[in-house]
Amino acid sequence: SQTIHQWPATLVQPVGSPLSLECTVEGTSNPNLYWYRQAAGRGLQLLFYSVGIGQISSEVPQNLSASRPQDRQFILSSKKLLLSDSGFYLCAWSVGGQSYEQYFGPGTRLTVT
Amino acid sequence: AQSVTQLDSHVSVSEGTPVLLRCNYSSSYSPSLFWYVQHPNKGLQLLLKYTSAATLVKGINGFEAEFKKSETSFHLTKPSAHMSDAAEYFCVVIPSGNTGKLIFGQGTTLQVKP
Repeated sequence: SQTIHQWPATLVQPVGSPLSLECTVEGTSNPNLYWYRQAAGRGLQLLFYSVGIGQISSEVPQNLSASRPQDRQFILSSKKLLLSDSGFYLCAWSVGGQSYEQYFGPGTRLTVT
Repeated sequence: AQSVTQLDSHVSVSEGTPVLLRCNYSSSYSPSLFWYVQHPNKGLQLLLKYTSAATLVKGINGFEAEFKKSETSFHLTKPSAHMSDAAEYFCVVIPSGNTGKLIFGQGTTLQVKP
């Protein structure tokens, strides 16, 4: 069966510090991968998605970037965090080649102080 | 353009009473629709999905939803609420073009009172 992992689970970082959040998927090959952000009391905002290694699409201009160095690894990064980057970050995957339901990881709670 | 509207931001029910979470969609074609549930500080879990098969869809934990094209609705129901159902619920539509971009409703917080 497929599983999706995210780490860390929680993170507190000062403004201006770098960020690296990691997501890995097991049990499937060539998945579509997604990063979402969920601000307090709001819905989900799609940040990035990837249909293959090195292929990243950005949905909104922002202080963040994403990379996919391996087939089942998706990394969300920032060089300098802003207060507005605080939120709950969710990684998700779906079957490659189609976009039916997505399966979500447990999330990372990021607080920028 | 496709969109999805969850008509209630908060719903409060007593344990053992029925649950109704309302969702309307806008689409120029027959869409794929989902309901996800999110417990506090957790990821989203798929409850059920409609993909142009049977209009009454049964999901996990006793939830079901009915696709009504004439009303452009996909309301989520459960006959009897349990305390563990307290969570955030999202109605989601897959837009045409199939780029992997789900369209999420703003969510409905379900409160279950003892």
